[in-house]
Amino acid sequence: KAGVTQTPRYLIKTRGQQVTLSCSPISGHRSVSWYQQTPGQGLQFLFEYFSETQRNKGNFPGRFSGRQFSNSRSEMNVSTLELGDSALYLCASSSLIGNNEQFFGPGTRLTVL
Amino acid sequence: AQSVTQLDSQVPVFEEAPVELRCNYSSSVSVYLFWYVQYPNQGLQLLLKYLSGSTLVESINGFEAEFNKSQTSFHLRKPSVHISDTAEYFCALSSNTGKLIFGQGTTLQVKP
Repeated sequence: KAGVTQTPRYLIKTRGQQVTLSCSPISGHRSVSWYQQTPGQGLQFLFEYFSETQRNKGNFPGRFSGRQFSNSRSEMNVSTLELGDSALYLCASSSLIGNNEQFFGPGTRLTVL
Repeated sequence: AQSVTQLDSQVPVFEEAPVELRCNYSSSVSVYLFWYVQYPNQGLQLLLKYLSGSTLVESINGFEAEFNKSQTSFHLRKPSVHISDTAEYFCALSSNTGKLIFGQGTTLQVKP
């Protein structure tokens, strides 16, 4: 079974631009969560989608948004990029509600210049 | 509010020595507990999990962790480490949602 895939793996943007990151979950998994990892703040939860609906949201500004498609693939978008948005963005998928065993992708490394 | 505290940011240890990575958590509701490992330039890999039942959980590569409800701890142990165990380890909890709350991570550095 293929694992969680994320594209692109690396991205360089400048301040003020916007970016879209993509995540394909493990086949059959319907829950997708996104996390931001930085050296200073560690791993922080962004949001979770299940069956195309956002179920949970972390404490991030509205510039961070996401969506999930009918095939469970998910995208997250960051608008008006700031230097502090430079981070590793990790996507995780899960098969069961309540059993929170999440499987992570390799991440997208975003650098904002 | 729920939180996870990993008590050591770095743990240096010699190869074949035992190691313990400490994790305490805080939650007013029942939780699931996890240990994840992250190798350089990679995502997180699930090492082991406590969902219910036996408080001692084991991984296939020799790590074990014990859920201690009274001390709100979930420490990770290995009796003999290898160079290949060098990585960053994250303790995490979740309640009945799709949100994982992570500790700040512990860098395990195994020296020859």
